[in-house]
Amino acid sequence: DSGVTQTPKHLITATGQRVTLRCSPRSGDLSVYWYQQSLDQGLQFLIQYYNGEERAKGNILERFSAQQFPDLHSELNLSSLELGDSALYFCASSVGGQGMTDTQYFGPGTRLTVL
Amino acid sequence: AQKVTQAQTEISVVEKEDVTLDCVYETRDTTYYLFWYKQPPSGELVFLIRRNSFDEQNEISGRYSWNFQKSTSSFNFTITASQVVDSAVYFCALSEASGNTGKLIFGQGTTLQVKP
Repeated sequence: DSGVTQTPKHLITATGQRVTLRCSPRSGDLSVYWYQQSLDQGLQFLIQYYNGEERAKGNILERFSAQQFPDLHSELNLSSLELGDSALYFCASSVGGQGMTDTQYFGPGTRLTVL
Repeated sequence: AQKVTQAQTEISVVEKEDVTLDCVYETRDTTYYLFWYKQPPSGELVFLIRRNSFDEQNEISGRYSWNFQKSTSSFNFTITASQVVDSAVYFCALSEASGNTGKLIFGQGTTLQVKP
């Protein structure tokens, strides 16, 4: 158990819908990362937050957005869902120091299925 | 450009065999970090090791060992006396110090099947 929690574990929804994925980082970690794992793209970095502020953006679609709240939990919002958004979404957290290159610990993931 | 290549898509071995998973990386940074993660069939990503670019010492942890060679930009992972529980997808990842973000760039992963 990494100490990172993600809810829900599974999510099945229809095209065009909007969903919210939630992540709670390990105690004491200030940095939260979101990654998408799909068969065709592999594991891709989406976005990073550090202590409530957006720190870096990767291959995140405009239909996707995220935020980190004062209690440091984070939410990833996916809207206007398409079939191709079906994937495993991971949240990871790290302390956030050491030039941000400290070890990231991953949550169990949320498996999103868009029908 | 930053890139991680795991050329072996799938490897199948019989229990107790030694197996080496290859990882080759590309980066222009002089300071960077390399990682290995394990993804068992249950799906979670489990951290195995973190190594910085200034430390080329090989590391051994039980049956696991890692060989870091900057001259060939490789960070290979060897499992000695493999066991069925080692069956998983293994990912190598790179994090560059420049940009101060910590984002991980992953390889495509190597699926290891250990047969009894």
